[in-house]
Amino acid sequence: DVKVTQSSRYLVKRTGEKVFLECVQDMDHENMFWYRQDPGLGLRLIYFSYDVKMKEKGDIPEGYSVSREKKERFSLILESASTNQTSMYLCASSPSGLTSGGHTDTQYFGPGTRLTVL
Amino acid sequence: LAKTTQPISMDSYEGQEVNITCSHNNIATNDYITWYQQFPSQGPRFIIQGYKTKVTNEVASLFIPADRKSSTLSLPRVSLSDTAVYYCLVGAYNTDKLIFGTGTRLQVFP
Repeated sequence: DVKVTQSSRYLVKRTGEKVFLECVQDMDHENMFWYRQDPGLGLRLIYFSYDVKMKEKGDIPEGYSVSREKKERFSLILESASTNQTSMYLCASSPSGLTSGGHTDTQYFGPGTRLTVL
Repeated sequence: LAKTTQPISMDSYEGQEVNITCSHNNIATNDYITWYQQFPSQGPRFIIQGYKTKVTNEVASLFIPADRKSSTLSLPRVSLSDTAVYYCLVGAYNTDKLIFGTGTRLQVFP
């Protein structure tokens, strides 16, 4: 079974702190994703990465950065946390669609990190 | 990327068949249609994917008409454990990105 793990289930930080959210997958997937989920807004893509050291902005990248130094690990960084970044953060991974006929492939999600910024 | 529209919520009773319809009017030729299920406090998980006509697996069926501008997820004989949010997505060719909307919250009652 594919396993995607996230470093914390719950996290409480203060405004202005630097926050690191870690995600690890064990299936050698090329793609990794960070989403945030808020009531009434569904899942929104923050950043994704299709290879080590490669990244692309999603729909809401402002206030976030990412790092992918190893294939299995994708980190989301909040440089200076703000209260409007209080949310559920979900990490996902998938094999490259380019190796499966060009269409998007199944994404496997972690359990999520509920971040509260005070 | 194609946008999807689906009902915000639906109610059902145990043992009934539930059909959730999603519209995706500007679906592209190479786009696939995928449905995910999300239980509270968990990440979404893949249910079913299709391109045209009908696809069936052990969990659900997916019906896609010839024009592909909509699709219907069918859950046979739902149980309380099917209470979840269901997302309809249209995949973008060669970008690996998926766009999740707000989903349909299905509540199953005894």
